[in-house]
Amino acid sequence: RKEVEQDPGPFNVPEGATVAFNCTYSNSASQSFFWYRQDCRKEPKLLMSVYSSGNEDGRFTAQLNRASQYISLLIRDSKLSDSATYLCVVIPNDMRFGAGTRLTVKP
Amino acid sequence: EAQVTQNPRYLITVTGKKLTVTCSQNMNHEYMSWYRQDPGLGLRQIYYSMNVEVTDKGDVPEGYKVSRKEKRNFPLILESPSPNQTSLYFCASSSGTVSYEQYFGPGTRLTVT
Repeated sequence: RKEVEQDPGPFNVPEGATVAFNCTYSNSASQSFFWYRQDCRKEPKLLMSVYSSGNEDGRFTAQLNRASQYISLLIRDSKLSDSATYLCVVIPNDMRFGAGTRLTVKP
Repeated sequence: EAQVTQNPRYLITVTGKKLTVTCSQNMNHEYMSWYRQDPGLGLRQIYYSMNVEVTDKGDVPEGYKVSRKEKRNFPLILESPSPNQTSLYFCASSSGTVSYEQYFGPGTRLTVT
């Protein structure tokens, strides 16, 4: 089993839709969690951290479920500019990246 | 402008010809690392460095070397490249430990024939 697993997608959604991604991790000792965004052929950039209590940044909401060992990212009111690959990152003692979930938002 | 730079951005080379990919950051970050990204496998760490003269292996260090003689620079060396090292390489840095936000360079696309 991979340490960090994501549904690779692609997720194809219309503008304005709500879409959610999950990311499961295997190391129960993991302490830090992040979502990064990667545009095609570009470098990953931090989208948001994931806190135990959940956190929201505009249209984006991240949540952590320690009991089931997964984190989630919810995007509301999708924009064309949200089209990208979303990478989850889990840190037991070093960074473990998921392979990414590709999102395409269509007009 | 705060940034991580990598050179070259694109490189096509032949098996066995030594090459170096440079990485430099201007944010005075202590932590730097190298990743390779392959389809379906995500980002995998090659080497990392907690500070000057301190380096350690990541998940896939075979066939690579690094050095950290200065805080800002962290070159990746392939002594004898092989086709299985064809990949997209990213350098990253952060201000603290790995739990801090990682700033990535623009990537180096390497093809070994």
